[in-house]
Amino acid sequence: DIQLTQSPSFLSASVGDRVTITCRASQGIGNSLAWYQQKPGKAPNLLIYDASTLQSGVPSRFSGSGSGTEFTLAISSLQPEDFATYYCQQLHSYRLTFGGGTKVEIK
Amino acid sequence: QVQLVESGGGVVQPGRSLRLSCAASGFTFSSHGIHWVRQAPGKGLEWVAVIWYDERNKYYADSVKGRFTISRDTSKNTVYLQMDRLIPEDTAVYYCARDLYSTGWYCDNWGQGTRVTVSP
Repeated sequence: DIQLTQSPSFLSASVGDRVTITCRASQGIGNSLAWYQQKPGKAPNLLIYDASTLQSGVPSRFSGSGSGTEFTLAISSLQPEDFATYYCQQLHSYRLTFGGGTKVEIK
Repeated sequence: QVQLVESGGGVVQPGRSLRLSCAASGFTFSSHGIHWVRQAPGKGLEWVAVIWYDERNKYYADSVKGRFTISRDTSKNTVYLQMDRLIPEDTAVYYCARDLYSTGWYCDNWGQGTRVTVSP
């Protein structure tokens, strides 16, 4: 099974900061990776798929990059509504796997 | 608009069964795969199962394989998750989610979740 490791697991940042989150796969997955945002008590929300394609309706300050085993989610200028937990997700052998999550909190 | 509504959660004893339902509306149900994803209290997301648009292709996480069964009824626009031989580790909020595509790749719309508690 392919494992996804996110880093950091916790991030403290200020409004306006540029933030990056990394997701590493235990083996190559091409560009079959998505990023989700989840706020407390709410369902996740798809932000990015195919590693770098912005989902419809998602603000352009979110971007994704990478391929193979290393992927990055970037938020260019953190907004108050962006404080949440972020998960990466991959598809391999018809099964999905999620990373452990990165919690972004206000500094 | 796309809407997914889960139901059927509750408190159940270990070893018993429960069936969750996911009622879909606002899109062409037969054109999308549907996933179940769960989240244990205070923990991250865990994918559980997917059923493709064709009703024939179904895939499961190792942690539930052999105990859970996913199915769909196109006449009712509903997906089910039959959960048998439940264990305390199955305690979680269960979300159903629509796949972006007809098979199983990414979850682009989610329900609000239904809570399952497995406890003596």
